[in-house]
This record gives sequence, structure tokens and C-alpha cells, in this order.
Amino acid sequence: AQSVAQPEDQVNVAEGNPLTVKCTYSVSGNPYLFWYVQYPNRGLQFLLKYITGDNLVKGSYGFEAEFNKSQTSFHLKKPSALVSDSALYFCAVRVIPGSARQLTFGSGTQLTVLP
Amino acid sequence: EPEVTQTPSHQVTQMGQEVILRCVPISNHLYFYWYRQILGQKVEFLVSFYNNEISEKSEIFDDQFSVERPDGSNFTLKIRSTKLEDSAMYFCASLAGSSYEQYFGPGTRLTVT
Repeated sequence: AQSVAQPEDQVNVAEGNPLTVKCTYSVSGNPYLFWYVQYPNRGLQFLLKYITGDNLVKGSYGFEAEFNKSQTSFHLKKPSALVSDSALYFCAVRVIPGSARQLTFGSGTQLTVLP
Repeated sequence: EPEVTQTPSHQVTQMGQEVILRCVPISNHLYFYWYRQILGQKVEFLVSFYNNEISEKSEIFDDQFSVERPDGSNFTLKIRSTKLEDSAMYFCASLAGSSYEQYFGPGTRLTVT
């Protein structure tokens, strides 16, 4: 069975500093990896995905993530954090093959960007 | 930009009552999902629906749960006899056949008293 771990419940960073939100995964087979963001009282918004190809993927709002197969990681990064980036971030994996294509989520990391 | 919609945004019900949560997926999507998020916990997969039938379901999705796509636009989740532990945020999601990322609705917060 596949699983996703987000080892940090909370990440605090000062505005303008780089941020990293960590994610590791465990699957048998090749993964599709995703990051979603959840703002208070809102649904999950898609940020970016890794499917194949270049290990560094870029997404919405200046976020990027690096796929590292040897470390089974997919950390989310941003060079310069904004206060508006404060939200709950979820890493997710979809196993291939998987006919239903459902996602398995990590436990989430609350990012707080301090002004 | 098309989006997934869900109604109601908040549902309060008494234990033992039936509830129906409604979703309108993005119109050209082919795969439909329900997930739930108990307060403070991770988002958990409940069920997937494709080609007018359940394609996969989790252990959570027991006989008390059912899904239906009664027409070309709505996708519903029914809980026949709610329990206190069903209190959660329920998210609907849809996926295009040619895409990879699922699009989520804003969620329905279900409170069982």
C-alpha cells in the first residue's frame, strides 16, 4: 500500500525567506506526485505535479518541487515566501497502475509566513 | 474557469438520520471521487466512480454509504444512518480522462449531533 509522510506539522518562515515543506512517499511502482494547498474554509487547490521527466517541476504562485527518486522525496519549495502563502499544504501520491486514480494524502503541514 | 461545486456548505443532522451531500463536477470530467477530512486529520479517500459505477472504495466506505450520478451533472454521496464519527468535511473531486490532477470542490462540513 502506498503512503505519504509529511514530517512537519508546522513550518514557520519569515516573509522574503525561502521556504521548504517536506514530503516523502512510499509506493511499489512509479508514483505520480502532487501538492495541494488548503486555505481556511476552502477546498483543496492544485499547486503542481510530477508525472515524468525533469525532476524539478514548477507550479502555481511561484512554487516548485523537486522529485528525488533515491530519497523518495518530493519537497515543496519557494524562493521567497509571502504572508499570503500561509495555509495548509498537502502532499499526495497516486499509484500507477491504478484504475481508479485516487490520491493518498499526507497529514498536511501548516505553513505560517511571518511578516 | 470551470470548478467543482458542492451543496450544502454546512449540514447539521442528528445521529441516525440520512444525509445526501451533493456535488456538481466539472462538466467534461470522467472520474469522480469523494474524500473526507475529519477535523485536524488527513484527507482520506472514500470512493471513486467511473462509467456509472464504483471503481474503487476504501474501508471507510461501508454499507452505510452510497454514491449516485442521477443525471449528467450531479454526483451525490448518501449516508443512510449517520453516526457521530461521520462528522467531517466531505470533499468531492473530479478528473478529466486525459489529465492527472483532480479538482476539488469547497467541501461540505457535516456535523452529526
